[in-house]
Amino acid sequence: SAVISQKPSRDICQRGTSLTIQCQVDSQVTMMFWYRQQPGQSLTLIATANQGSEATYESGFVIDKFPISRPNLTFSTLTVSNMSPEDSSIYLCSVYGTGSGELFFGEGSRLTVL
Amino acid sequence: GQNIDQPTEMTATEGAIVQINCTYQTSGFNGLFWYQQHAGEAPTFLSYNVLDGLEEKGRFSSFLSRSKGYSYLLLKELQMKDSASYLCAVRDDTGRRALTFGSGTRLQVQP
Repeated sequence: SAVISQKPSRDICQRGTSLTIQCQVDSQVTMMFWYRQQPGQSLTLIATANQGSEATYESGFVIDKFPISRPNLTFSTLTVSNMSPEDSSIYLCSVYGTGSGELFFGEGSRLTVL
Repeated sequence: GQNIDQPTEMTATEGAIVQINCTYQTSGFNGLFWYQQHAGEAPTFLSYNVLDGLEEKGRFSSFLSRSKGYSYLLLKELQMKDSASYLCAVRDDTGRRALTFGSGTRLQVQP
């Protein structure tokens, strides 16, 4: 299994500001995945973060808007830059459990942009 | 690319059995996952199929047919707490290992 801690759990932000979400895992993992879940929608992959290399972004997501850091094998951050109300979503960090095929999710960070 | 379809909503009665279907079209396939998500919570893992057939885990079972691009999640002896969204997700074979999620099926269990 994997225990994933995300901070903040929720925040209310002003338009035009940026917020950094932290993801801490209790074990070393190669890949960490960042997903977004907009209100009433399913999960959409933003990017895959590998330690020691640039994150790989999905179509529709760019590094300038969602910069990601991966300084070591247990930690990653996702920044939502220059926020607008359309960025109001739950942002989820996920990893595979050690020795298992299960993808585990953190509790999510619920952002509301006013 | 990947295309995943599942019904938007379903209603079932407490104690009954419900089957949630998922069809997919992918450029490569390396596993199908089912997740449960209660409102306001993160998704929790239910099952994973990579080979054809049925995987049973307590009240939950999942079936996969790779040739048909089809899976279902079977929930038996429904309980009120099973009211949730059920997400079908597919992993491709590119090596990136990320999952692509369907839009989810919202299940309402009634007394």
